[in-house]
Amino acid sequence: GAVVSQHPSRVICKSGTSVKIECRSLDFQATTMFWYRQFPKQSLMLMATSNEGSKATYEQGVEKDKFLINHASLTLSTLTVTSAHPEDSSFYICSAGWEGRGTEAFFGQGTRLTVV
Amino acid sequence: AQSVTQPDIHITVSEGASLELRCNYSYGATPYLFWYVQSPGQGLQLLLKYFSGDTLVQGIKGFEAEFKRSQSSFNLRKPSVHWSDAAEYFCAVPPGGGNKLVFGAGTILRVKS
Repeated sequence: GAVVSQHPSRVICKSGTSVKIECRSLDFQATTMFWYRQFPKQSLMLMATSNEGSKATYEQGVEKDKFLINHASLTLSTLTVTSAHPEDSSFYICSAGWEGRGTEAFFGQGTRLTVV
Repeated sequence: AQSVTQPDIHITVSEGASLELRCNYSYGATPYLFWYVQSPGQGLQLLLKYFSGDTLVQGIKGFEAEFKRSQSSFNLRKPSVHWSDAAEYFCAVPPGGGNKLVFGAGTILRVKS
């Protein structure tokens, strides 16, 4: 399968600072990337969908000004958690795919964010 | 709205025993269905997927799943569990048929020796 690389795998930041997480498709061009959040002992919840060259579509209840998503190229999407607070501590996972029904998306390794 | 239900939060099986993890979906048409596995602190690994055709799907690591339209189910099975199978398992569907997924709550599998 295709490879999606997510970086960093772990990050600890101070409350009030911003953190950027990168998601790269290494061997294919991803027209669409997705960002999920997973709180401890919970399932994955979709935060937003990003399409290359256009604004991200956020799920209900997700603050777009807090979670900035940029998908500037077909191989890179970034999620920036701005003014992070302890309640933003979570596991963030991206996936990448391309248009079309009956296709699968490929997941990154995830990023464990801890805000102290 | 489409949804996925995994009724079992935890399951414990003995090593070597058979395993079945349940997944039910609500969807109007024939869905695409996925099973993923997640080890602690790790990302997701695709075990298998169903798009169409044969309703019994073979996956990696000796897993299989059977799509049963009449029961709206896509249960994951393995005939003999290994200690390394201990992980969390997620069933997922793409509501629009694309790459965006809705996940079930997950089932944590514990394997006892």
